[in-house]
Amino acid sequence: KAGVTQTPRYLIKTRGQQVTLSCSPISGHRSVSWYQQTPGQGLQFLFEYFSETQRNKGNFPGRFSGRQFSNSRSEMNVSTLELGDSALYLCASSLDGGDNGYTFGSGTRLTVV
Amino acid sequence: AQSVSQHNHHVILSEAASLELGCNYSYGGTVNLFWYVQYPGQHLQLLLKYFSGDPLVKGIKGFEAEFIKSKFSFNLRKPSVQWSDTAEYFCAVTDTGGFKTIFGAGTRLFVKA
Repeated sequence: KAGVTQTPRYLIKTRGQQVTLSCSPISGHRSVSWYQQTPGQGLQFLFEYFSETQRNKGNFPGRFSGRQFSNSRSEMNVSTLELGDSALYLCASSLDGGDNGYTFGSGTRLTVV
Repeated sequence: AQSVSQHNHHVILSEAASLELGCNYSYGGTVNLFWYVQYPGQHLQLLLKYFSGDPLVKGIKGFEAEFIKSKFSFNLRKPSVQWSDTAEYFCAVTDTGGFKTIFGAGTRLFVKA
């Protein structure tokens, strides 16, 4: 079966712009979680969606938002980009929310200049 | 708040040496525990997981981990590493029912051939 697909793979944006990243989970997976990965910080939890509802969120500013569609595909949006937002953004899908582990996508590498 | 601590950020071993990577977590409730691995240029993959029962769990590629509840630890072990084990290893904890998985900062393992 197809894995978790994230688009685009790479993105370069200017400070102040906004960006939307997309994630298509494994077919049948209804939970999608987003993480920010930076060197030395590991993976920082952004939010988790299940059946179009956000069930949990991490400690990120309101500039970071997300949503999930009825087909379980998810998007995350970052507005008013800052240099510190440069990171690898990972999407992870699971059947029910991570209790059984995640399947990760390859990520979107965002560079803010 | 939940937290996961990985003791070593970088580990260098020669082939055939034994490996033990430390992981401690902070959370008072019921958790599921995981180790993930990220090989160079690849996405994160689940290595092994612990839910309940036998505290010694076996994963793929000869890895195992031991859950010690009294120490809030979940250390990863492998008796004899190979050059192909060079990767970054992440310990993770899921708050069951909390729909949130917290990751440690990761340990970069380099195995010399």
